[in-house]
Amino acid sequence: QVQVVQSGAEVRKPGASVKVSCKISGYTLTELSIHWVRQPPGKGLDWMGGFDREDDETFYAQKFQGRVTMTEDTSSDTAYMELSSLRSEDTAVYYCAAGPARLGELSPFDYWGQGTLVTVSS
Amino acid sequence: DIVMTQSPDSLAVSLGGRATINCKSSQSVFYGPSNKNYLAWYQQKPGQPPKLLIYGASTRESGVPDRFSGSGSGTDFTLTISSLQAEDVAVYYCQQYYSRRLPFGGGTKVEIK
Repeated sequence: QVQVVQSGAEVRKPGASVKVSCKISGYTLTELSIHWVRQPPGKGLDWMGGFDREDDETFYAQKFQGRVTMTEDTSSDTAYMELSSLRSEDTAVYYCAAGPARLGELSPFDYWGQGTLVTVSS
Repeated sequence: DIVMTQSPDSLAVSLGGRATINCKSSQSVFYGPSNKNYLAWYQQKPGQPPKLLIYGASTRESGVPDRFSGSGSGTDFTLTISSLQAEDVAVYYCQQYYSRRLPFGGGTKVEIK
C-alpha cells in the first residue's frame, strides 16, 4: 500500500520561497512518477509539473516556468517542490500526486498526499 | 499544450437520478498503437485530496462503484453517475495523460436537488 505524506502548513511573506516535501512509502520513488498539483481556495486543480521517469526529465506548466523547481532524493524516497517569488495568488493547497512509472506511457495519479496549505501574506 | 474543458460547471440531480458530465480535449488523447484513450476522471470531496475514479476513459479503479461509468474517445468524453447517492456529492475533474503536461478540466460540482 503506497503512502504519500507531505510536510506541514507554511506561511510566507510575498517575495519569499517555500519548499514542500513529499515522502513516499510502500514503493520506491523510482517506481513512481511524481507530480505536483495546486488548488487555490475554492478553485479547481492546477497541474504544476512532474517527472517523466522514462526520460529522466522534469516538465513544468508554462505558467510556473522559472519559479518552480521539483527535485527528488531517491535515498530517502522524498520529492520536493520549491516555489519562489511568492505572491498572494500563490496561496493554495499544494498536493503531491503519483502514478506508477510505466515504459512508453504516462499514468494517471493513483496516489495523493494529504495536501500542504501555503499561505502568502504580508 | 492540450486544454481540457468540462461542462457543465455544476449540476443538481435528485437522489437516484442520473448525472452526466462532459469533458472535451483540444486535441485527441487516443493513441492508436496502444488502442487507449489517456483520459482519467477524479472525484474530490470537501477537505480531501482528489481520488482516481476512472482511467483509460472507461476503466473503473478498484473499489469504485459500478454506478460510475466513463465513455468516449478521441476528444470527447463523458462521466455518468447512473443513480446518484448522497455520498457522490463532490467536484469531478477530467485529466488527460497523453502528453507530458497533464492539465485538468475546470471541474464540475455535483449536488443533490
